Amino acid sequence: TQLLEQSPQFLSIQEGENLTVYCNSSSVFSSLQWYRQEPGEGPVLLVTVVTGGEVKKLKRLTFQFGDARKDSSLHITAAQTGDTGLYLCAALSPYGQNFVFGPGTRLSVLP
Amino acid sequence: ETGVTQTPRHLVMGMTNKKSLKCEQHLGHNAMYWYKQSAKKPLELMFVYSLEERVENNSVPSRFSPECPNSSHLFLHLHTLQPEDSALYLCASSQDRVAGSYEQYFGPGTRLTVT
Repeated sequence: TQLLEQSPQFLSIQEGENLTVYCNSSSVFSSLQWYRQEPGEGPVLLVTVVTGGEVKKLKRLTFQFGDARKDSSLHITAAQTGDTGLYLCAALSPYGQNFVFGPGTRLSVLP
Repeated sequence: ETGVTQTPRHLVMGMTNKKSLKCEQHLGHNAMYWYKQSAKKPLELMFVYSLEERVENNSVPSRFSPECPNSSHLFLHLHTLQPEDSALYLCASSQDRVAGSYEQYFGPGTRLTVT
């Protein structure tokens, strides 16, 4: 069973600051996804990355898949209070059909 | 209604009660999932249905019993639960489960408290 680690576990920043959160494993994945979950709601898919070294941008969010397809990062530029939430990464093994989820990074953006 | 809906949103039940959670997806997807989200633990996959056939049962205790009567509806029947079963139960659906990647769409969850 692959394990995903996410860091930091908690992050509290001021509006306008930049931040990066990480998702790491010792296993290789065929694809990796990032979700954001707000209180009282289910996770919402932000992005899927499948190619080693791939970079995807979604407005102020930049996602990168590691060259070896074992890790990923999410960078947020000029954070806004609306970015507050639990950021989850989920990865799919090349040999399986079920996504494994990390424990999440809980981000709080203060006004 | 659009997307994935779940009812009830909140449920409090005693250890001797029997209750059911309902999930409905309006996306025309072929696969549906039940996940458990507990505090300080990653999302745990419980059951997977593909084309109404159960394809995964991740060592879930028999006090949880899933049912998928058609591709749009998924139920989780609960009986004789334990306090440690208190959690957010999330339903998700995907178009399919192809190797390589697929996208899951989650419902808002049912917050279950077992007293």
